[in-house]
Amino acid sequence: SQQGEEDPQALSIQEGENATMNCSYKTSINNLQWYRQNSGRGLVHLILIRSNEREKHSGRLRVTLDTSKKSSSLLITASRAADTASYFCATDAGPISGTYKYIFGTGTRLKVLA
Amino acid sequence: GAVVSQHPSRVICKSGTSVKIECRSLDFQATTMFWYRQFPKQSLMLMATSNEGSKATYEQGVEKDKFLINHASLTLSTLTVTSAHPEDSSFYICSASQPAGVTTQYFGPGTRLTVL
Repeated sequence: SQQGEEDPQALSIQEGENATMNCSYKTSINNLQWYRQNSGRGLVHLILIRSNEREKHSGRLRVTLDTSKKSSSLLITASRAADTASYFCATDAGPISGTYKYIFGTGTRLKVLA
Repeated sequence: GAVVSQHPSRVICKSGTSVKIECRSLDFQATTMFWYRQFPKQSLMLMATSNEGSKATYEQGVEKDKFLINHASLTLSTLTVTSAHPEDSSFYICSASQPAGVTTQYFGPGTRLTVL
């Protein structure tokens, strides 16, 4: 399977704590993106990091990328109950016949307790 | 901007019937649309990629005669699950991307299919 791996599979923390999720992938990538999915809903795009970038911030989100280890991490600081969701990384290897295909990681289910 | 809709959001059907799911890009022209399926507590698996006006490209293991994809216009792609069986019950999500060279996919809200 080409699917990326994420760990942990599930994470339960208290409100206000930080949550860290990791994503590992198998092939060279063009970009890596993180998405959030609330139960039974569609995906919400969080952040994109390009292969030549090492770190990116967006609000309470911090993403790192280590292409030598083929891994990325997503840190959510000062978590809130509303952050409870599943988080997925998605990689693309660049255009294949003009199309960018995503390969999703296995996902981390985050539960933030109030 | 970049809104993608899906219809229906939920569908329940009897085994052996066919179900059509629509995916629309509401405020942009989508040259490429993607169809994914997601089983409970699992990740998204790409089923096929469709480009407007051409045949869809299916991922390995996905039956093209069972999952018919039509991308007849720049704003609409349809997925038809033919002769549905209970094992086809899943969450189907589409995404759309703008003209070639843009990597970002915009995802629809998904369609929950239950086959009895």
